[in-house]
Amino acid sequence: NAGVTQTPKFQVLKTGQSMTLQCAQDMNHEYMSWYRQDPGMGLRLIHYSVGAGITDQGEVPNGYNVSRSTTEDFPLRLLSAAPSQTSVYFCASRGTGNTIYFGEGSWLTVV
Amino acid sequence: GEDVEQSLFLSVREGDSSVINCTYTDSSSTYLYWYKQEPGAGLQLLTYIFSNMDMKQDQRLTVLLNKKDKHLSLRIADTQTGDSAIYFCAERASGGSYIPTFGRGTSLIVHP
Repeated sequence: NAGVTQTPKFQVLKTGQSMTLQCAQDMNHEYMSWYRQDPGMGLRLIHYSVGAGITDQGEVPNGYNVSRSTTEDFPLRLLSAAPSQTSVYFCASRGTGNTIYFGEGSWLTVV
Repeated sequence: GEDVEQSLFLSVREGDSSVINCTYTDSSSTYLYWYKQEPGAGLQLLTYIFSNMDMKQDQRLTVLLNKKDKHLSLRIADTQTGDSAIYFCAERASGGSYIPTFGRGTSLIVHP
């Protein structure tokens, strides 16, 4: 049972480059979300989805796009990376129960 | 102000009890969670409590909820060096997006 899988685990980008963080879950969960974690800031919600075809903005959505074409996948796109987007990114999913499952995280550095 | 507040650091001696505190503002919170994050890893659910409960115990972990004061605590008995991690409090209201709100996390440091 893979749970929530994020790729890549580490990435270095140059300012202005674009990239996509992949997130996949095999638990048939409706709810998926992306967080970023910065020192002293805890987890901040970027975007979330309550089901295929439905996405919404979280607390810090600027500079990020998401889509949810399937239940399993919820990619996070950085269109033009900025140093302020250097962070650790976590994807999470939840089914009908109360447990939220997190991926292992993606460490992104923008230089 | 923040929706969920925690102190940032807690240092305890091995074998002592640790108490990590959390306050939240949303009175409609239905579920309150404690997550543990070890270095370089994702968050793992430790335990959660329904808002209609006062206490939940699970082995070395005791969760206390004071709904009137919107205060949640996590007590770890006989704290071990392996308990060193960041502990996140989170709350989730019923209805809406069901997306929880996390605190900033408390770094627990256990020293011999």
